[in-house]
Amino acid sequence: DAGVIQSPRHEVTEMGQEVTLRCKPISGHDYLFWYRQTMMRGLELLIYFNNNVPIDDSGMPEDRFSAKMPNASFSTLKIQPSEPRDSAVYFCASSYGPVNYGYTFGSGTRLTVV
Amino acid sequence: DQQVKQNSPSLSVQEGRISILNCDYTNSMFDYFLWYKKYPAEGPTFLISISSIKDKNEDGRFTVFLNKSAKHLSLHIVPSQPGDSAVYFCAASAYNDYKLSFGAGTTVTVRA
Repeated sequence: DAGVIQSPRHEVTEMGQEVTLRCKPISGHDYLFWYRQTMMRGLELLIYFNNNVPIDDSGMPEDRFSAKMPNASFSTLKIQPSEPRDSAVYFCASSYGPVNYGYTFGSGTRLTVV
Repeated sequence: DQQVKQNSPSLSVQEGRISILNCDYTNSMFDYFLWYKKYPAEGPTFLISISSIKDKNEDGRFTVFLNKSAKHLSLHIVPSQPGDSAVYFCAASAYNDYKLSFGAGTTVTVRA
């Protein structure tokens, strides 16, 4: 398996623009997680899905952020409009069970909003 | 509010010596703890875990210690090697939960 695949690896955009981050989980993994990494707060959970259904989105910062999982092999995280404070590394992870089964993370998307 | 705290942002250690990374948590519901290792431009990878029924778990050069009464855990790396230079994240969860709460990370640099 190729692991969790995220695209793009790097994204630079201007403030106010829409940004879409993409994730392909490992086949057979029913759980998909979006995390954001910042220097100050480390890795923060934004949202997670089970069988394509959002289960907990309490970590989504505000209405500018939205996430979808239209099928078992694809998820998007969208920011509209983007702001400089959204600059961070966004990770997608997938799992086939609870945390004791382990997460597999993608390589992340480094987002810079100027 | 951060429920998992790694108060040391960085640690420098000489090759062959012990690295000790510390982590504190505040949520008494947490009973499963993990350490992840992250190299630049890569995602975090699982390193070692411990459940609250144990106070120590060892895997090769890596040992995690858990002190439930103090809500504290530590990761020991002995001996430290140059390839251990990375960011280490402490994470916690309730067993059989699906969400992990992470600390801010500790950057370890192993000097030759």
